[in-house]
Amino acid sequence: SQQGEEDPQALSIQEGENATMNCSYKTSINNLQWYRQNSGRGLVHLILIRSNEREKHSGRLRVTLDTSKKSSSLLITASRAADTASYFCAAPGGGADGLTFGKGTHLIIQP
Amino acid sequence: DTAVSQTPKYLVTQMGNDKSIKCEQNLGHDTMYWYKQDSKKFLKIMFSYNNKELIINETVPNRFSPKSPDKAHLNLHINSLELGDSAVYFCASSQGGTPSTDTQYFGPGTRLTVL
Repeated sequence: SQQGEEDPQALSIQEGENATMNCSYKTSINNLQWYRQNSGRGLVHLILIRSNEREKHSGRLRVTLDTSKKSSSLLITASRAADTASYFCAAPGGGADGLTFGKGTHLIIQP
Repeated sequence: DTAVSQTPKYLVTQMGNDKSIKCEQNLGHDTMYWYKQDSKKFLKIMFSYNNKELIINETVPNRFSPKSPDKAHLNLHINSLELGDSAVYFCASSQGGTPSTDTQYFGPGTRLTVL
C-alpha cells in the first residue's frame, strides 16, 4: 500500500489564485518531501519538511505538516501558468528506509 | 551541463527482447536509483546503489538487473521484456546514502513501450 496519497487527484484553477494540495500517509515519519513533475520530465525536488516542523516556506510555496493527523499540505500562492504540473509527496516507507511516492495531484493553471 | 542523464529517451521493442537503459550523473553523488512510473503515474522505487553496493532492492522481477560500473553510472538491464514492463523509467541520484532524507535529482525518464 502507498505511504503517501495526494488529494485531489486533479485541480484546475485560474492564474493568480492559490492552489492547495493535500497528502496523507500511513506510518510515522521523520520527514516528508514534495516534488513537481512537468509533463514528460523527471521530478524536481521542491521542499522537505521534518517531523519537528509544522510549517515551512520556500518562495510562493508553503508546506505544513500535521503528524497527529498524518497529513501534509502544499500551498502555491499567486499561481502562474508555469506551475501547471503534477505534484507528488514522498515519505519514507519504500523499504529499507527508501521513499514512497503518492500518485500525485495534477494541477492545471488556466490563464 | 545535464545533472542526471538517461539514454535512450524512448524505447519501443518487442516482447521477449533484452534491453538496457543507461544513466549517468555528474553531480558527484554517492547514491543512484531507478524508479518505475506506470500509466497511472504511480512512481515506485526499484533499486538504489551506494558506492557500488545495492542498498534497496524492492520486489521487482529478477529479469531486472542494475549494473553500476562506477559511482557516476547506474544502468538498468531488462531481460525477456513483458507487456507489463511498459512504463517510464526514471534514474535519480542523491548526495548521501539515506534516501528518506536526501534530496533526489531525477533524470528526464525513458519511456519504454513493449509491443
